[in-house]
Amino acid sequence: GQQLNQSPQSMFIQEGEDVSMNCTSSSIFNTWLWYKQDPGEGPVLLIALYKAGELTSNGRLTAQFGITRKDSFLNISASIPSDVGIYFCAGQITGGFKTIFGAGTRLFVKA
Amino acid sequence: ETGVTQTPRHLVMGMTNKKSLKCEQHLGHNAMYWYKQSAKKPLELMFVYNFKEQTENNSVPSRFSPECPNSSHLFLHLHTLQPEDSALYLCASSQDLVTSRKTQYFGPGTRLLVL
Repeated sequence: GQQLNQSPQSMFIQEGEDVSMNCTSSSIFNTWLWYKQDPGEGPVLLIALYKAGELTSNGRLTAQFGITRKDSFLNISASIPSDVGIYFCAGQITGGFKTIFGAGTRLFVKA
Repeated sequence: ETGVTQTPRHLVMGMTNKKSLKCEQHLGHNAMYWYKQSAKKPLELMFVYNFKEQTENNSVPSRFSPECPNSSHLFLHLHTLQPEDSALYLCASSQDLVTSRKTQYFGPGTRLLVL
Protein backbone atom coordinates (compact mmCIF):
# COMPACT_ATOMS: atom_id res chain seq x y z
CA GLY A 1 0.00 0.00 0.00
CA GLN A 2 0.93 3.64 -0.12
CA GLN A 3 3.31 4.79 2.57
CA LEU A 4 5.02 8.00 3.50
CA ASN A 5 8.51 8.02 4.95
CA GLN A 6 8.89 11.06 7.16
CA SER A 7 12.24 12.11 8.53
CA PRO A 8 13.75 12.77 10.89
CA GLN A 9 11.71 11.06 13.60
CA SER A 10 12.76 13.69 16.12
CA MET A 11 14.87 16.82 16.28
CA PHE A 12 16.43 18.67 19.17
CA ILE A 13 17.38 22.22 18.26
CA GLN A 14 18.31 25.53 19.83
CA GLU A 15 15.94 28.47 19.71
CA GLY A 16 16.69 30.59 16.66
CA GLU A 17 17.89 27.71 14.50
CA ASP A 18 16.29 26.79 11.20
CA VAL A 19 14.64 23.38 10.83
CA SER A 20 14.02 21.17 7.83
CA MET A 21 12.00 17.97 7.62
CA ASN A 22 10.74 15.96 4.68
CA CYS A 23 8.48 13.24 3.44
CA THR A 24 9.12 10.82 0.60
CA SER A 25 7.08 8.13 -1.04
CA SER A 26 7.31 5.61 -3.84
CA SER A 27 3.82 6.74 -4.90
CA ILE A 28 2.77 9.90 -6.70
CA PHE A 29 0.52 12.30 -4.82
CA ASN A 30 -1.57 15.19 -6.10
CA THR A 31 -1.81 17.01 -2.80
CA TRP A 32 0.64 17.40 0.04
CA LEU A 33 -0.42 18.66 3.46
CA TRP A 34 1.57 19.63 6.51
CA TYR A 35 0.04 19.59 10.00
CA LYS A 36 1.28 20.39 13.49
CA GLN A 37 -0.03 18.63 16.58
CA ASP A 38 0.42 19.99 20.08
CA PRO A 39 0.19 17.62 23.07
CA GLY A 40 -3.41 16.68 23.83
CA GLU A 41 -4.76 18.41 20.73
CA GLY A 42 -5.69 17.49 17.20
CA PRO A 43 -3.50 18.22 14.17
CA VAL A 44 -3.75 21.76 12.84
CA LEU A 45 -3.28 22.42 9.13
CA LEU A 46 -0.18 24.51 8.42
CA ILE A 47 0.23 24.44 4.66
CA ALA A 48 -1.58 22.76 1.76
CA LEU A 49 0.17 22.18 -1.60
CA TYR A 50 -1.76 21.32 -4.76
CA LYS A 51 0.74 21.61 -7.63
CA ALA A 52 4.09 19.98 -8.35
CA GLY A 53 6.87 22.49 -7.71
CA GLU A 54 4.62 24.73 -5.62
CA LEU A 55 6.41 26.63 -2.88
CA THR A 56 4.17 28.10 -0.18
CA SER A 57 4.92 30.08 2.95
CA ASN A 58 2.95 30.62 6.14
CA GLY A 59 4.86 33.03 8.36
CA ARG A 60 8.15 31.38 9.28
CA LEU A 61 7.08 28.13 7.64
CA THR A 62 7.81 27.22 4.03
CA ALA A 63 6.79 24.00 2.29
CA GLN A 64 7.40 22.71 -1.21
CA PHE A 65 5.69 20.12 -3.36
CA GLY A 66 8.44 18.10 -5.05
CA ILE A 67 8.70 18.12 -8.83
CA THR A 68 8.46 14.33 -8.98
CA ARG A 69 5.28 14.54 -6.85
CA LYS A 70 6.79 11.90 -4.60
CA ASP A 71 8.17 14.18 -1.91
CA SER A 72 7.67 17.35 0.06
CA PHE A 73 9.64 19.31 2.63
CA LEU A 74 8.82 21.74 5.40
CA ASN A 75 11.22 24.38 6.65
CA ILE A 76 10.85 26.43 9.82
CA SER A 77 13.04 29.49 10.11
CA ALA A 78 14.25 31.08 13.36
CA SER A 79 12.56 28.52 15.60
CA ILE A 80 10.91 29.57 18.85
CA PRO A 81 9.83 27.50 21.87
CA SER A 82 6.19 27.36 20.75
CA ASP A 83 7.26 25.48 17.60
CA VAL A 84 7.56 22.40 19.82
CA GLY A 85 5.20 19.66 18.72
CA ILE A 86 4.75 16.87 16.21
CA TYR A 87 4.73 17.75 12.52
CA PHE A 88 2.90 15.43 10.14
CA CYS A 89 3.03 15.29 6.39
CA ALA A 90 0.10 13.85 4.48
CA GLY A 91 -0.48 12.96 0.84
CA GLN A 92 -3.63 12.60 -1.23
CA ILE A 93 -4.21 11.15 -4.69
CA THR A 94 -6.74 12.14 -7.30
CA GLY A 95 -9.83 9.97 -7.34
CA GLY A 96 -9.31 8.53 -3.89
CA PHE A 97 -10.58 9.83 -0.60
CA LYS A 98 -7.88 8.47 1.65
CA THR A 99 -5.22 10.68 3.10
CA ILE A 100 -1.93 8.95 3.84
CA PHE A 101 -0.12 10.30 6.90
CA GLY A 102 3.53 10.14 7.81
CA ALA A 103 4.57 8.95 11.26
CA GLY A 104 5.51 12.49 12.32
CA THR A 105 8.60 14.48 13.24
CA ARG A 106 8.78 15.38 16.90
CA LEU A 107 10.43 18.78 17.35
CA PHE A 108 12.03 19.95 20.59
CA VAL A 109 13.26 23.54 20.90
CA LYS A 110 15.60 24.57 23.67
CA ALA A 111 15.32 28.18 24.78
CA GLU B 1 -10.11 26.88 16.94
CA THR B 2 -10.42 24.83 13.75
CA GLY B 3 -14.21 24.83 13.50
CA VAL B 4 -14.43 21.18 14.52
CA THR B 5 -15.43 20.37 18.09
CA GLN B 6 -15.37 17.05 19.89
CA THR B 7 -16.91 15.93 23.15
CA PRO B 8 -15.99 14.63 25.56
CA ARG B 9 -12.31 15.56 25.54
CA HIS B 10 -11.46 12.74 27.92
CA LEU B 11 -13.27 9.47 28.61
CA VAL B 12 -12.55 6.53 30.88
CA MET B 13 -14.73 3.48 30.42
CA GLY B 14 -14.88 -0.14 31.45
CA MET B 15 -14.97 -2.94 28.95
CA THR B 16 -18.68 -3.53 29.48
CA ASN B 17 -19.74 0.11 29.14
CA LYS B 18 -21.48 1.78 26.24
CA LYS B 19 -20.47 5.32 25.42
CA SER B 20 -20.60 7.69 22.47
CA LEU B 21 -18.18 10.24 21.08
CA LYS B 22 -19.58 13.33 19.40
CA CYS B 23 -18.14 15.52 16.68
CA GLU B 24 -19.60 18.70 15.25
CA GLN B 25 -18.20 20.86 12.45
CA HIS B 26 -19.11 24.48 11.83
CA LEU B 27 -17.35 24.79 8.47
CA GLY B 28 -20.19 23.90 6.13
CA HIS B 29 -18.34 20.75 5.05
CA ASN B 30 -19.93 17.64 3.63
CA ALA B 31 -17.39 14.95 4.46
CA MET B 32 -16.49 13.78 7.95
CA TYR B 33 -13.95 11.26 9.21
CA TRP B 34 -13.03 9.27 12.30
CA TYR B 35 -9.36 8.50 12.94
CA LYS B 36 -7.61 6.55 15.68
CA GLN B 37 -4.24 7.82 16.89
CA SER B 38 -2.15 5.47 19.02
CA ALA B 39 1.24 6.29 20.46
CA LYS B 40 4.04 6.28 17.90
CA LYS B 41 1.77 5.12 15.05
CA PRO B 42 0.53 6.98 12.00
CA LEU B 43 -3.07 8.11 12.02
CA GLU B 44 -5.43 5.23 11.24
CA LEU B 45 -8.53 6.05 9.20
CA MET B 46 -11.61 4.34 10.61
CA PHE B 47 -14.69 5.72 8.84
CA VAL B 48 -15.55 8.25 6.15
CA TYR B 49 -18.92 9.84 5.49
CA ASN B 50 -19.71 12.02 2.49
CA PHE B 51 -23.08 13.78 2.34
CA LYS B 52 -24.21 11.55 5.24
CA GLU B 53 -23.39 8.34 3.35
CA GLN B 54 -20.69 6.03 4.65
CA THR B 55 -18.02 5.61 1.98
CA GLU B 56 -15.38 3.79 3.98
CA ASN B 57 -15.20 1.30 6.80
CA ASN B 58 -11.53 0.55 7.09
CA SER B 59 -11.93 -2.96 8.55
CA VAL B 60 -12.95 -1.52 11.90
CA PRO B 61 -14.28 -3.98 14.51
CA SER B 62 -18.03 -3.90 15.04
CA ARG B 63 -17.59 -2.69 18.62
CA PHE B 64 -17.13 0.72 16.96
CA SER B 65 -20.34 1.95 15.32
CA PRO B 66 -20.46 5.30 13.51
CA GLU B 67 -23.53 7.45 12.94
CA CYS B 68 -23.87 10.53 10.76
CA PRO B 69 -27.34 12.07 11.12
CA ASN B 70 -26.44 15.14 9.04
CA SER B 71 -23.40 16.70 7.42
CA SER B 72 -22.51 18.66 10.56
CA HIS B 73 -22.59 15.87 13.13
CA LEU B 74 -20.75 12.59 13.48
CA PHE B 75 -20.93 10.10 16.33
CA LEU B 76 -18.86 7.09 17.26
CA HIS B 77 -20.73 4.62 19.44
CA LEU B 78 -18.53 2.42 21.60
CA HIS B 79 -19.53 -0.95 23.02
CA THR B 80 -17.54 -3.67 24.83
CA LEU B 81 -14.18 -2.14 24.01
CA GLN B 82 -10.81 -3.68 24.76
CA PRO B 83 -7.86 -2.06 26.57
CA GLU B 84 -5.97 -1.90 23.26
CA ASP B 85 -8.68 0.46 22.00
CA SER B 86 -7.30 3.15 24.32
CA ALA B 87 -6.13 5.98 22.07
CA LEU B 88 -6.84 9.51 20.90
CA TYR B 89 -9.88 9.50 18.60
CA LEU B 90 -9.86 12.33 16.13
CA CYS B 91 -12.69 13.66 14.04
CA ALA B 92 -12.02 15.61 10.86
CA SER B 93 -14.04 17.24 8.11
CA SER B 94 -13.42 18.35 4.54
CA GLN B 95 -15.45 20.20 1.96
CA ASP B 96 -16.13 16.91 0.20
CA LEU B 97 -14.09 14.12 -1.40
CA VAL B 98 -13.07 15.92 -4.61
CA THR B 99 -9.40 16.76 -5.23
CA SER B 100 -8.35 20.07 -3.62
CA ARG B 101 -11.49 19.96 -1.48
CA LYS B 102 -10.33 16.91 0.50
CA THR B 103 -8.10 18.96 2.79
CA GLN B 104 -9.08 17.84 6.26
CA TYR B 105 -9.54 19.95 9.37
CA PHE B 106 -9.28 18.15 12.68
CA GLY B 107 -11.00 18.48 16.01
CA PRO B 108 -9.09 18.40 19.30
CA GLY B 109 -9.76 14.70 19.84
CA THR B 110 -11.19 12.53 22.59
CA ARG B 111 -8.61 10.80 24.76
CA LEU B 112 -10.11 7.38 25.54
CA LEU B 113 -8.91 5.02 28.23
CA VAL B 114 -10.46 1.55 28.43
CA LEU B 115 -9.96 -0.26 31.71
